Amino acid sequence: GAGVSQSPSNKVTEKGKDVELRCDPISGHTALYWYRQSLGQGLEFLIYFQGNSAPDKSGLPSDRFSAERTGGSVSTLTIQRTQQEDSAVYLCASSKTSVGTDTQYFGPGTRLTVL
Amino acid sequence: AQTVTQSQPEMSVQEAETVTLSCTYDTSESDYYLFWYKQPPSRQMILVIRQEAYKQQNATENRFSVNFQKAAKSFSLKISDSQLGDAAMYFCAYGISNFGNEKLTFGTGTRLTIIP
Repeated sequence: GAGVSQSPSNKVTEKGKDVELRCDPISGHTALYWYRQSLGQGLEFLIYFQGNSAPDKSGLPSDRFSAERTGGSVSTLTIQRTQQEDSAVYLCASSKTSVGTDTQYFGPGTRLTVL
Repeated sequence: AQTVTQSQPEMSVQEAETVTLSCTYDTSESDYYLFWYKQPPSRQMILVIRQEAYKQQNATENRFSVNFQKAAKSFSLKISDSQLGDAAMYFCAYGISNFGNEKLTFGTGTRLTIIP
């Protein structure tokens, strides 16, 4: 596609429920990143995929968070047993490679609200 | 750990005037990249400008330019001839070039308001 797409745009869920957030990177981009943006804060790194390598999960805040990337393209971020502090905008980005010279292009994000 | 600090939560500027947004960072790396991203109300993060640390020349993109002071670890963004469409949150970000460690570290952002 022309850009990074994410779905849903907004998600409202009840505390304790599981949610899945989807990211479609730019075609041909091998690197994919998930960030979280809490109200009034900058972006916080969550997880990073590069090709077939093991993902860098160092930013995941708890074991309730997990992500996968199927076929080196689409990625799904799953949050189990959601808590109110999980409410945030979840942003996905992709880049052509994982070399620092390559710009990360962001999707429009998913706004998650946990009631 | 790398940190990025934006000390101006909010800034405003008259349309057509010039405004400078501040950013400082802390790192022990010698080779890294710095970015300014713009986030309008649509939430879409848009790259404004990037700077490679090994380049002494300040990056410029049309009305946007940076003042990169490597020794001072400072990376400010200057917007000339401000336009209404420049109104947004602006985030400074840092990344290193080591393969396999390319996540970006962001500042907390500066909200820029353009006064007509």
